[in-house]
Amino acid sequence: KQEVTQIPAALSVPEGENLVLNCSFTDSAIYNLQWFRQDPGKGLTSLLLIQSSQREQTSGRLNASLDKSSGRSTLYIAASQPGDSATYLCAVARSNDYKLSFGAGTTVTVRA
Amino acid sequence: NAGVMQNPRHLVRRRGQEARLRCSPMKGHSHVYWYRQLPEEGLKFMVYLQKENIIDESGMPKERFSAEFPKEGPSILRIQQVVRGDSAAYFCASSPGAPGEAFFGQGTRLTVV
Repeated sequence: KQEVTQIPAALSVPEGENLVLNCSFTDSAIYNLQWFRQDPGKGLTSLLLIQSSQREQTSGRLNASLDKSSGRSTLYIAASQPGDSATYLCAVARSNDYKLSFGAGTTVTVRA
Repeated sequence: NAGVMQNPRHLVRRRGQEARLRCSPMKGHSHVYWYRQLPEEGLKFMVYLQKENIIDESGMPKERFSAEFPKEGPSILRIQQVVRGDSAAYFCASSPGAPGEAFFGQGTRLTVV
């Protein structure tokens, strides 16, 4: 059974600081890994998708890395802004099925 | 291209009533997934459907819960005789293939009173 862990559970930083969010998974036989953003009471917005053959993906200020062999992914958010305040979820799709296994999330607060 | 549409966004039901949650996938997507997010918990897989077929319902509670994705119309998650423990956010996701990039709807927040 795939277990996904996100550390830290919560993070508070001043505006302008870089954010580093960690995700680890127990079964390295993954098909892809997605990072999502969830605002309070809202749905999930897909931020980045990394296929198992890729090492990283970038979109604007966001960069996600994937190390399948060690079961880790890191989401970097450069020059954080108050608008980045949200919960960030990591989800893994296994190679032999289509279900996403989610971490519990990291709740980020960026202070102005 | 409209995103995944879920309705209603909020639903209040009394104990014992039925709840019907609807999900229209993105255009061109034939794979639909339902997830449940209980308060203070992560999202958990419930069921995976393709048109007219349930592919995997291993995450569905054994009783009172059912799902369908008919040839025409939205996918429906049906909860019969709701109890307080069913109060949660129910999210639908769609993808063009499985496994693929999943796009999520805004969710339906069910409150059982």
